[in-house]
Amino acid sequence: SQKIEQNSEALNIQEGKTATLTCNYTNYSPAYLQWYRQDPGRGPVFLLLIRENEKEKRKERLKVTFDTTLKQSLFHITASQPADSATYLCALDPFNQAGTALIFGKGTTLSVSS
Amino acid sequence: NAGVTQTPKFRVLKTGQSMTLLCAQDMNHEYMYWYRQDPGMGLRLIHYSVGEGTTAKGEVPDGYNVSRLKKQNFLLGLESAAPSQTSVYFCASTSGRAGREQFFGPGTRLTVL
Repeated sequence: SQKIEQNSEALNIQEGKTATLTCNYTNYSPAYLQWYRQDPGRGPVFLLLIRENEKEKRKERLKVTFDTTLKQSLFHITASQPADSATYLCALDPFNQAGTALIFGKGTTLSVSS
Repeated sequence: NAGVTQTPKFRVLKTGQSMTLLCAQDMNHEYMYWYRQDPGMGLRLIHYSVGEGTTAKGEVPDGYNVSRLKKQNFLLGLESAAPSQTSVYFCASTSGRAGREQFFGPGTRLTVL
């Protein structure tokens, strides 16, 4: 069956460390993959998009990689802060078409302790 | 711009009651979606619309109906609510480009007793 999985439900790290979240997918060939942040009681907010021909993308302290051979994306937050504590969702478009609903992973809840 | 707004924010229903959730977006987006989010299940697509007057079923459409009479609005209806429909409902919209991000509303927390 087609799946998109985020390897852990929860990740606890200390402030200042690098958080690494993993998203794996099977039976898809997405042209791009997206990452969202969701705070408790709020809707997801878009963070980054990476295309299949981009190995890595950065935005401030965020870095995303995309390995189409491994069918995996890694999401890194460097110099993590307590304010980074949230649930992070990966998502992909299974058909690479405008308007297609995204398929979301279940998310990884990151807790950064000071 | 308000982005995506949802009405109401909270609602408690009794089994068998009906209600309509309203989603509105002011970004002139063609595509709109309704998701439900349950603990351990992630976001699951209920229905979606690729334009005014069109709707389609998603992954979990049973027990729900939708309408998109105006481009900016997407309504989700529950004709006869069941406890299994207790969930947080999110509306999202996006533009017509492939690879575009989705913009989400703040959610509606629905409890069916």
